[in-house]
Amino acid sequence: SQQGEEDPQALSIQEGENATMNCSYKTSINNLQWYRQNSGRGLVHLILIRSNEREKHSGRLRVTLDTSKKSSSLLITASRAADTASYFCATDARSGGGADGLTFGKGTHLIIQP
Amino acid sequence: DAGITQSPRYKITETGRQVTLMCHQTWSHSYMFWYRQDLGHGLRLIYYSAAADITDKGEVPDGYVVSRSKTENFPLTLESATRSQTSVYFCASSESTGTRNQPQHFGDGTRLSIL
Repeated sequence: SQQGEEDPQALSIQEGENATMNCSYKTSINNLQWYRQNSGRGLVHLILIRSNEREKHSGRLRVTLDTSKKSSSLLITASRAADTASYFCATDARSGGGADGLTFGKGTHLIIQP
Repeated sequence: DAGITQSPRYKITETGRQVTLMCHQTWSHSYMFWYRQDLGHGLRLIYYSAAADITDKGEVPDGYVVSRSKTENFPLTLESATRSQTSVYFCASSESTGTRNQPQHFGDGTRLSIL
């Protein structure tokens, strides 16, 4: 079963606005990562936040983590057309067959309208 | 610096055929992973490898075989393809597993259609 679940499934905003995506997960984690996927391409790592961190910034990205609520949010400020992509959260919690590797949510599809 | 490359990018085959998807990385990362991506399921881990000659099952390993004779290569084989294995397959690598706080680096995927 999926460890992470992103919300919303799809988001359409105007260029220049801020975009916020949320991720909820079920079990304890060591870290949570966010990835971006452009259409027809592989996933690209954006940011990693450790379980003992509450907030992290990278350029126009801001990630928060609330381990008590088992949730994370990704904020993209001053959005650009190039930010149009799907965004996935991923956790390192073991699931399924107890394997290493990441467990991904189903993603948020973000569309930036020019 | 090629990074991580997958081949072929697109493949069409028939049920019952054997298919091998290739993955090659130039970073000498110890860990490599295979995921499949399907609408409604996100990415799911098929198999992973911690080092050459060490492989282990992920969430959805049935119908797949992997090998890792060299650190840089991690081929995925569908021994007898079924329609349910139609998917986009992604290979990834990392210096360590997620528990050691390392990101994964992904190839651009192989889109596999089984008729």
